[in-house]
Amino acid sequence: DAGVTQSPTHLIKTRGQHVTLRCSPISGHKSVSWYQQVLGQGPQFIFQYYEKEERGRGNFPDRFSARQFPNYSSELNVNALLLGDSALYLCASSLQGGPKKLFFGSGTQLSVL
Amino acid sequence: QQQVKQSPQSLIVQKGGISIINCAYENTAFDYFPWYQQFPGKGPALLIAIRPDVSEKKEGRFTISFNKSAKQFSLHIMDSQPGDSATYFCAASMLDTGNQFYFGTGTSLTVIP
Repeated sequence: DAGVTQSPTHLIKTRGQHVTLRCSPISGHKSVSWYQQVLGQGPQFIFQYYEKEERGRGNFPDRFSARQFPNYSSELNVNALLLGDSALYLCASSLQGGPKKLFFGSGTQLSVL
Repeated sequence: QQQVKQSPQSLIVQKGGISIINCAYENTAFDYFPWYQQFPGKGPALLIAIRPDVSEKKEGRFTISFNKSAKQFSLHIMDSQPGDSATYFCAASMLDTGNQFYFGTGTSLTVIP
């Protein structure tokens, strides 16, 4: 079975641009969460979606938004990119909306120049 | 404010030795404490998790020790192997906040042959 897939794997943008990251959860998983991992740090929670509804939001500015589609895939959008947005963006899926076992993808490495 | 504090930042252990990584938390509402293992270029993968109603959980060579009164928990890796060389993250969450996990800053473990 395929794990959590994320695209693209690497991305280079310049300040002020917009970026869209995509995630496909494990088949049967209805919950998708997004995390930001800055180099040398632990992942930080950005969003959780369950059954296409936002279930949680971390301490990130409104430049960050996300949505979940009827097939449970998800995308994370970041507007007006800043240098500090450079990080590994991880998507994780789980079976239900509660704190269950998270299955992480390999992430999208975003570099903002 | 770091919700979960992890130490040490890095650890070098001889093959066959015991690796010990410690974490501490302040929020007594946390009720789920997983440990994740991350290899370079990959997303974190769940190793083992514990709830505060037990003091110890063992799975193979991995053991979590949990001290509720001290608000501390630790990961013990017995008979450490070179293949265990990775970054380890502790995390914590509250049952009613879905998949919002608070991660520690990570411990880079190197097991030398």
